[in-house]
Amino acid sequence: KQEVTQIPAALSVPEGENLVLNCSFTDSAIYNLQWFRQDPGKGLTSLLLIQSSQREQTSGRLNASLDKSSGRSTLYIAASQPGDSATYLCAVRPDSNYQLIWGAGTKLIIKP
Amino acid sequence: DTGVSQNPRHKITKRGQNVTFRCDPISEHNRLYWYRQTLGQGPEFLTYFQNEAQLEKSRLLSDRFSAERPKGSFSTLEIQRTEQGDSAMYLCASSRKPQGHTDTQYFGPGTRLTVL
Repeated sequence: KQEVTQIPAALSVPEGENLVLNCSFTDSAIYNLQWFRQDPGKGLTSLLLIQSSQREQTSGRLNASLDKSSGRSTLYIAASQPGDSATYLCAVRPDSNYQLIWGAGTKLIIKP
Repeated sequence: DTGVSQNPRHKITKRGQNVTFRCDPISEHNRLYWYRQTLGQGPEFLTYFQNEAQLEKSRLLSDRFSAERPKGSFSTLEIQRTEQGDSAMYLCASSRKPQGHTDTQYFGPGTRLTVL
């Protein structure tokens, strides 16, 4: 059974710092992995999707990496800004079905 | 794209009542998903439609839950005889047919259900 874990559960850093959020999964048979952002009381916004054959994806200040063999993904945020404050969730789509299996998220606070 | 819309945004009901939520996916998206999210947790998958066919159902979807997607457009999620444990945010997402292994899911704002 696929399980997704995100560490740390919460992170608070000063503005301007570079930071890394971690996601681990137990079964390497994945179709893709997605990183999402969730603002309080709101829905989910897709940030990056990494296909199973890819090693990384970049969008602006965000870079996500994928190491299937070790069951790990990281989300790197460069030059953090207060507007980056949100909960970041990692979700894995297994090879065998259509659902996404989610971590519990990392709550990120960027202090001005 | 006008985005995924969900109605109502909030629903307060008494235990034992039935509730129905609606999701309108992004047009041209033939895939539609329902998830449930409780405070401090990631979403949990409930069910998946491809066009009008319901292809996957989670074991979380007890016999009190039913979902439909008539004509492959909007979808409804009904909960019968609600229980306090049903209180959660119900999220709908849609996606288009994948190109490669890319099938980004786009989420609506959710319907927050409170069962008293």
